[in-house]
Amino acid sequence: DIVMTQSPDSLAVSLGERATINCKSSQSVLYSSNNKNFLAWYQQKPGQPPKLLIYWASIRESGVPDRFSGSGSGTDFTLTISSLQAEDVAVYYCQQCYSTPLTFGGGTKVEIK
Amino acid sequence: QLQLHESGPGLVKPSETLSLTCTVSGGSISTDNYYWGWLRQPPENGLEWLGNVYYGGSTYYNPSLKSRVTISVDKSKNQFSLKLTSVTAADTAFYYCARGPYAVRGAAYFDFWGQGTLVTVSS
Repeated sequence: DIVMTQSPDSLAVSLGERATINCKSSQSVLYSSNNKNFLAWYQQKPGQPPKLLIYWASIRESGVPDRFSGSGSGTDFTLTISSLQAEDVAVYYCQQCYSTPLTFGGGTKVEIK
Repeated sequence: QLQLHESGPGLVKPSETLSLTCTVSGGSISTDNYYWGWLRQPPENGLEWLGNVYYGGSTYYNPSLKSRVTISVDKSKNQFSLKLTSVTAADTAFYYCARGPYAVRGAAYFDFWGQGTLVTVSS
């Protein structure tokens, strides 16, 4: 199984400041055949299901604000919120979609400082 | 707009079988290149993938569930279902159904999710 490790577990950021979340996979999730990284990011607010933000490591899902961006390749990935808004308070998860069993990181809780 | 809705008992007794159905509306389950999945999340905990099914019947399961899980599809009703046998308190969780596009050998991210349903295992 591919183990996904997120850091930090939680972070507090001032409104308008940058938030950075890291995700590391235990093996590469880069498909050589199409040069895509099979890594997704989700946002989950209390009482709601996860919402897809980013897929293939850096492609923003339709309707997601452009302050959210994903980067990285191979085993190391980052989700960046460029200017934190109050509505961004949530838990963020990464997920590898390279192979089954599909696995998720443990989550990062983002709060307002 | 595609919508998914989970339904089934909210309380299951230990050792019995958990059965849930996901009804898909606003789109067809019989669409090429989309898998349909079940995931769960214990309260205040992380996400676990249970398995995926394709409308043609292909399935992929999480080996951690040790053959307790079965996912099936009913194209005529635009539904897919989850059965989890021999449940224990550890199976208490929010259960979600979701759509997985562009899957490779059953591996996908999930772009549409149901609201989730809490299933409690207790006598």
